[in-house]
Amino acid sequence: QVQLQQSGPGLVKPSQTLSLTCAISGDSVSSNSAGWNWIRQSPSRGLEWLGRTYYRSKWYNDYAVSVKSRITINPDTSKNQFSLHLNSVTPEDTAVYYCARIPDARLEYHFDYWGQGTLVTVSS
Amino acid sequence: QSVLTQPPSVSGAPGQGVTISCTGSSSNIGAGYDVHWYQQLPGTAPKLLIYGNNNRPSGVPDRFSGSKSGTSASLAITGLQAEDEADYYCQSYDSSLSAWVFGGGTKLTVL
Repeated sequence: QVQLQQSGPGLVKPSQTLSLTCAISGDSVSSNSAGWNWIRQSPSRGLEWLGRTYYRSKWYNDYAVSVKSRITINPDTSKNQFSLHLNSVTPEDTAVYYCARIPDARLEYHFDYWGQGTLVTVSS
Repeated sequence: QSVLTQPPSVSGAPGQGVTISCTGSSSNIGAGYDVHWYQQLPGTAPKLLIYGNNNRPSGVPDRFSGSKSGTSASLAITGLQAEDEADYYCQSYDSSLSAWVFGGGTKLTVL
């Protein structure tokens, strides 16, 4: 049974960096089949895929165009987790952030396991 | 404005059935990418309900079923129960955006 446990601050000041971590149990961040994603949800933008990291002999990342200039997703193999860093945040980045697994990195696949969600508010 | 279009709300009486539509375009559903459905209860993460257009994960009742045709997909729920009251989201992949995309969500009310 795969479990994803999120951690990180719930309040970030404008222009600073939002950082969250997703700890994996029951699978490996270095899996040769799965992909590890960040998704956010807000009333104004709905559910929005932000990006992913996955390992296929080397590490790959894909990011949504809307955040591509501001986002980094990093794997941490020593702790079996992955992180999200979103810089230069504005109140528009206020949302519930989720980590989620895709069991196969092929494009047509689904998100089968989700973290519990973290409400991040961008405010001074 | 979500890439996939769903009705904002649907409702039905206990025991009845409802259908939730999900309309896409030639760059997502119409391009042949699978459609998946999620159920979200208040204050919780989305839960996978249907994957690969019409497959149920273990533990999901067979009252839930999915279908896909052309640029659209549908989620059907039969024998409505009070516990089915939730938000439902469709999801696919969009080749123009190079991104996984979601519908705007449909709130199901069990009358």
